[in-house]
Amino acid sequence: AQSVTQPDIHITVSEGASLELRCNYSYGATPYLFWYVQSPGQGLQLLLKYFSGDTLVQGIKGFEAEFKRSQSSFNLRKPSVHWSDAAEYFCAVVTYNNNDMRFGAGTRLTVKP
Amino acid sequence: NAGVTQTPKFRILKIGQSMTLQCTQDMNHNYMYWYRQDPGMGLKLIYYSVGAGITDKGEVPNGYNVSRSTTEDFPLRLELAAPSQTSVYFCASSYLGGAGSTEAFFGQGTRLTVV
Repeated sequence: AQSVTQPDIHITVSEGASLELRCNYSYGATPYLFWYVQSPGQGLQLLLKYFSGDTLVQGIKGFEAEFKRSQSSFNLRKPSVHWSDAAEYFCAVVTYNNNDMRFGAGTRLTVKP
Repeated sequence: NAGVTQTPKFRILKIGQSMTLQCTQDMNHNYMYWYRQDPGMGLKLIYYSVGAGITDKGEVPNGYNVSRSTTEDFPLRLELAAPSQTSVYFCASSYLGGAGSTEAFFGQGTRLTVV
């Protein structure tokens, strides 16, 4: 069955520390991968996406993500977290032969001063 | 640009009532989606549409219906509201999906409570 897994429900990091949010997918076909961010009471905003080519992709707000086919992963990273990054982060997958977009359960990020 | 607009923002329904959640986009996107978001569960796809006149079920379609008579509008219908449908509902649209998929744009959400 197709699935998107975000193993970490909640992560707390100190401001200025580095961040890595995990995302694993289980799909038979070539995936298109996305990371979205949701601030409280808001809709989702795209951070970055991977379709093909360079496996390290850059996004907005200083985020990057690396696609690793061998590990079926698409982890999100940021070298230095800011208090404004506190939000919920969702990994999403679309496959070549499907028309729907599936999301992981989300990871809530708390940033300590 | 208005983007994706959802109405209403909040609604309280009694068990057994029906209602329609409205969604409209002004970006001429072909693909539109309806998701529900429950705490700790992420977003679950209810229905989606790849163009006017074409709709398909997602992961959790039971208790819902949709229609897509125009490119702009994709309303979600709840016929007999149940407490299990208490959730936050998001509408989204994208220019393309599947092969050649493009970014999805989301509305602000509709918070629905069924009592």
